Amino acid sequence: SQQGEEDPQALSIQEGENATMNCSYKTSINNLQWYRQNSGRGLVHLILIRSNEREKHSGRLRVTLDTSKKSSSLLITASRAADTASYFCATQIQGAQKLVFGQGTRLTINP
Amino acid sequence: EAGVVQSPRYKIIEKKQPVAFWCNPISGHNTLYWYRQNLGQGPELLIRYENEEAVDDSQLPKDRFSAERLKGVDSTLKIQPAELGDSAVYLCASSRQGLALHGYTFGSGTRLTVV
Repeated sequence: SQQGEEDPQALSIQEGENATMNCSYKTSINNLQWYRQNSGRGLVHLILIRSNEREKHSGRLRVTLDTSKKSSSLLITASRAADTASYFCATQIQGAQKLVFGQGTRLTINP
Repeated sequence: EAGVVQSPRYKIIEKKQPVAFWCNPISGHNTLYWYRQNLGQGPELLIRYENEEAVDDSQLPKDRFSAERLKGVDSTLKIQPAELGDSAVYLCASSRQGLALHGYTFGSGTRLTVV
């Protein structure tokens, strides 16, 4: 079973625009992570935010976490064609030492 | 450092045949995971190893799937016999700590097609 739901399932924007993806989850977590997957490849870890953090930045990535709403968002600023990929949120559930992935958002950046 | 290495990259087999996937994790990563990813879905955990011990195999279909991690390094995932519904990408990942404080490192996966 997958605990995360991502929204939207697919997103298509113009190069240079910002892309925002959302993730909701069901149970209490230790941390939430975002991964990128290019077509036919494995997942690449982007950023991790702990349950006691509200916002984190890494380069053009900004992640927020609202534990009261059990939701997170990933913002990619000034998008590039190379950002085209699927993006997955994954939660580390409290009391369990494993990651549970959402179904992903397929992002397309149009040149 | 070398990443997580998986082989083969692609495998096509007929149903009822056996198949095996191999994974070499990052050196020093004591935790190893096998995930299955169906088309258009996120990965789902099959089994997690801490060193050579399988500590979470609750999602592994034990009637046909088996895994081993001898000596706590390389791992093999086997399906016997394969069914049409087993077609998916099988991903191996490793991490330095079981709590994934620093995220997992994934291999490129093995794409299995059962015909």
